[in-house]
Amino acid sequence: GAGVSQSPSNKVTEKGKDVELRCDPISGHTALYWYRQSLGQGLEFLIYFQGNSAPDKSGLPSDRFSAERTGGSVSTLTIQRTQQEDSAVYLCASSLRGTGGWGDTQYFGPGTRLTVL
Amino acid sequence: AQSVAQPEDQVNVAEGNPLTVKCTYSVSGNPYLFWYVQYPNRGLQFLLKYITGDNLVKGSYGFEAEFNKSQTSFHLKKPSALVSDSALYFCAVRDGNNAGNMLTFGGGTRLMVKP
Repeated sequence: GAGVSQSPSNKVTEKGKDVELRCDPISGHTALYWYRQSLGQGLEFLIYFQGNSAPDKSGLPSDRFSAERTGGSVSTLTIQRTQQEDSAVYLCASSLRGTGGWGDTQYFGPGTRLTVL
Repeated sequence: AQSVAQPEDQVNVAEGNPLTVKCTYSVSGNPYLFWYVQYPNRGLQFLLKYITGDNLVKGSYGFEAEFNKSQTSFHLKKPSALVSDSALYFCAVRDGNNAGNMLTFGGGTRLMVKP
């Protein structure tokens, strides 16, 4: 079956520009997560969506980062006024359940590699 | 708070030899433990997980992991390594007391299998 898809696969932008990263989760998965993978920080949690509930934004590094999930499916991560330290691979994951489904596997997309010049 | 440690940045083994990639964790509630593998320029691929039950769990590609509650460890093992197993391996934990449900990852261990 179809897995988690992300677009674009690569994004090069100039410092100060805004970028949008897209994630299509596995159909039927109610929980969606964004993580960031960078050389200095490893894999870090950014934000978590569970159905129609308010998202858990506790991992967002600054107010330049935001995300939305429309119709309980597709999600967009937006980074405003990008900085060079935002350069990283942004990974999206989905799982069947969120809260209460602690044993549910999170399935990851291929990631978007963001380079800020 | 939940945390994971992978004490080895890199593990080198010869093809055909057994391999172990170490992972220790810290949680306040029940641990839910996962191993993922990442090949170059790819996302994370799920290998196996421990939820409850048998301490030895088996996963994809012949990998297995042993949950040890007293040592708070979840080491990944394979009886006979293949060159194609060379990749970056991540251990992750979710704390059953954590309503946030996110995974916390270790720093990763690069496995190099030499012919």
